[in-house]
Amino acid sequence: EAGVVQSPRYKIIEKKQPVAFWCNPISGHNTLYWYRQNLGQGPELLIRYENEEAVDDSQLPKDRFSAERLKGVDSTLKIQPAELGDSAVYLCASSAEGVPNTEAFFGQGTRLTVV
Amino acid sequence: GNSVTQMEGPVTLSEEAFLTINCTYTATGYPSLFWYVQYPGEGLQLLLKATKADDKGSNKGFEATYRKETTSFHLEKGSVQVSDSAVYFCALSDTGGFKTIFGAGTRLFVKA
Repeated sequence: EAGVVQSPRYKIIEKKQPVAFWCNPISGHNTLYWYRQNLGQGPELLIRYENEEAVDDSQLPKDRFSAERLKGVDSTLKIQPAELGDSAVYLCASSAEGVPNTEAFFGQGTRLTVV
Repeated sequence: GNSVTQMEGPVTLSEEAFLTINCTYTATGYPSLFWYVQYPGEGLQLLLKATKADDKGSNKGFEATYRKETTSFHLEKGSVQVSDSAVYFCALSDTGGFKTIFGAGTRLFVKA
């Protein structure tokens, strides 16, 4: 069974440019998460989806970040415009719907470098 | 708010040494506790979990016991191998069970 797939693995952009990350969760997992992991730190939740609905986006910087999950499967996370401080690894994860305290399965992440 | 604090790394051990990575937490209610591991070049994966006080999670020779009285969930392994070299993250999920909060991670190096 395929795991969580993210692309691209690496991205280098100049500040003020836009960037987008894509995630395909595990088949049948209706809960999808986007996390940001800064160097030397643990992941921090940006947004959580239940199907198409963003049920927790309290940590998403809405002035420049946006996310969507059309049809409740794949998701994209966008930054526009990017800032130097956005350099981090962006992780996507998924878990079974409506099952609290269940394991989240993570993708390998997209490492973003803003120069 | 909820938070997780784990010991700073890196931790360097010789093969077959005993491992302890300390983790303490602050939370309201009754969180579930997790240890995730990230091997070089790979994504985070669940190592073990415990969902209530005094539960012991175990996997691959690793163990951790949910201690509510000391708000701790220390990771232990009796004999580490070179292949255990990775970054280990302690985490908790809130009472609702859908928001996972991670510690900063502890890097482990095991020498042959």
